[in-house]
Amino acid sequence: DQQVKQNSPSLSVQEGRISILNCDYTNSMFDYFLWYKKYPAEGPTFLISISSIKDKNEDGRFTVFLNKSAKHLSLHIVPSQPGDSAVYFCAASADSSASKIIFGSGTRLSIRP
Amino acid sequence: DAMVIQNPRYQVTQFGKPVTLSCSQTLNHNVMYWYQQKSSQAPKLLFHYYDKDFNNEADTPDNFQSRRPNTSFCFLDIRSPGLGDAAMYLCATLPGFSTDTQYFGPGTRLTVL
Repeated sequence: DQQVKQNSPSLSVQEGRISILNCDYTNSMFDYFLWYKKYPAEGPTFLISISSIKDKNEDGRFTVFLNKSAKHLSLHIVPSQPGDSAVYFCAASADSSASKIIFGSGTRLSIRP
Repeated sequence: DAMVIQNPRYQVTQFGKPVTLSCSQTLNHNVMYWYQQKSSQAPKLLFHYYDKDFNNEADTPDNFQSRRPNTSFCFLDIRSPGLGDAAMYLCATLPGFSTDTQYFGPGTRLTVL
C-alpha cells in the first residue's frame, strides 16, 4: 500500500522546455513534502521542499506546487538542462520535518538535446 | 569532503553468509537511518537511531540488525542474506528532528549469489 505514488516511471523532455514531475499521496496527515534528485552511483540529494501551509515554493529553476485537496504535488523545472537528467524522488512526512519520510518510487527524467 | 560515507560501495555475498555494511558521517548528526532500495522501487526505511536509541520499523525482518557504536558510525548486519535481500542500501543522517532534510550516502549495492 504505497502512500506516496509517482505514476510515471520515466519522462523525456527537450532541453530548454519545462519538465513537470508529478506525485500523489494518500495520507492526509502528511504535512511536509520533499523532492530529491539522484544521479547514478550517488545517494539522493535534497532539491526542494514545501510545507502544507504553502501551495508553492520556488528555488531558482525549481518550483514545487502543492494541491492539498487533490493530495497532489508537482515539481516544475524550467528551463530544463542536460544536468537535470536524473531520478527524482518525491517524499512526504507527517511530522512537519524530515525526521521520518516516505518515498515514492521515483521518476527518471531524461533531457534530450 | 564526503559527509556520509558508505563502505563498501559494492558487496557480493553468498546466500546465507552474514554480511556487514558500514556507514560513517563527518557531520556529527544525532540521527542515522538505514534504507533498503530495490530496483525501481521507493527507498524503504529499515530502522534509525536517535543517538543510541534504536527504532525498528514494524515490518523490518529480524534478519536485519544494526549497531551504532558511536556518533560517527552505524552498521547494518544481515545475518542470513537471501536472494530477496539483494538491493541498494542507503545510509542517511539528520541533525535532529526539526530540520529540512536527510543527508544521504552514496549507497552500497549488495549482490547475493
